[in-house]
This record gives sequence, structure tokens and C-alpha cells, in this order.
Amino acid sequence: GAVVSQHPSRVICKSGTSVKIECRSLDFQATTMFWYRQFPKKSLMLMATSNEGSKATYEQGVEKDKFLINHASLTLSTLTVTSAHPEDSSFYICSARVRDVEAFFGQGTRLTVV
Amino acid sequence: GQNIDQPTEMTATEGAIVQINCTYQTSGFNGLFWYQQHAGEAPTFLSYNVLDGLEEKGRFSSFLSRSKGYSYLLLKELQMKDSASYLCAVRDSNYQLIWGAGTKLIIKP
Repeated sequence: GAVVSQHPSRVICKSGTSVKIECRSLDFQATTMFWYRQFPKKSLMLMATSNEGSKATYEQGVEKDKFLINHASLTLSTLTVTSAHPEDSSFYICSARVRDVEAFFGQGTRLTVV
Repeated sequence: GQNIDQPTEMTATEGAIVQINCTYQTSGFNGLFWYQQHAGEAPTFLSYNVLDGLEEKGRFSSFLSRSKGYSYLLLKELQMKDSASYLCAVRDSNYQLIWGAGTKLIIKP
């Protein structure tokens, strides 16, 4: 089956620094990937839809300049959290749509900003 | 507004059967998904329903009634490893997933 690999699984960074999270489709081409954020004991919150070769579509309330998304190839989308602050600490998850089904999620990245 | 309702928490016994319900009100409908999520991990896809009826996949089955805006996930022969949160999500007319808050399922021996 299709596999989505997300890296890193955990990262701790200092306040004010930037962190890049990668999401790769390993055995298929993902023209569309999704980035989610999840708070403890809460459901997933869609942050943005990443389309290969074009600008990402951000959800209302998500800061484009803070959460930079790049989808430069059919197998890689990246999320960069810029100038991170403690309130950005969260669980970030990517997913890919394959044949009309949102079936494949990355492993998730636990970001802690200290 | 768009809304997905599912119970917050359910408890069941190992070896038994449990049904997790999901009702939805969305702008259009393009399929309903069920996911399993263990604590600290990303969701895992379980099922996809786009037509009315029952989809069976091993110990798990998912049912959909579009006219009632209702779905359920049925888990049979419960095992301790089934303890997890179960998320219901509906894809709306804009092809965007609307997520329920999840049902935490606790399995007792």
C-alpha cells in the first residue's frame, strides 16, 4: 500500500528558530497533500492544502508567513514553522490523497518549542 | 454550519462488539471516512463509505445512511489493542474533510 513518510517524528527547538518538517510519498505521486495540526485530546485541524507546483491553500486563521508550505515535487511537501514560539508546540501531521481517498497519513511530528 | 457528532468516550469488554455512531450535517457529501488513532500517533485509515449500506472489512464494518446523515463503525471480537480514538470525517462539496472530535474507546478485560 501507499506509504507516507514524515520526518522528524520529534523535534525540540528554541523559541525564535525555524523548524522544517518533511512529508514524502514513498511509492506513489501525491499531487495533493494536507497539513494538519492536532492539540492534545482534540481532533485534527486542517492548516493547509499543498498542491504540487503551486501555492498552498491555507485555512482561515492560519498564518501563511508563519507556516510556510512548499510542494516542489510530486513526492515531497514541506512545512516550515518560522520564528517558532511555545504556542506553536503541537502535533503536526501530513496526509496524501490517493485515488480520491484520504487514506495515508505520515507518522506525525511532535514539535516542542522551549 | 458544518457539524460532525460522535460520542466522546465509550467502554466495552474484550471479545464483545461495540458500535460507534457518527451523525453529520455538512455542505454536500462526497464520502465518509473512519480512522483509528492511538495516543501519540497519526490516524490510520479504516474505511470509506460513499454509498448507502454496510462495508465489511475483517472485524471492522462501517455503515452509511446518507438520507439520515448517519454512519456507524462496528468493531467485533474486541481486542485490547483496539483501545484507541476513532475519528469520523466527512468530505464536503468542496472536497474538504470535516472531522469529528473522535470517540475514545476503552477496552476492559
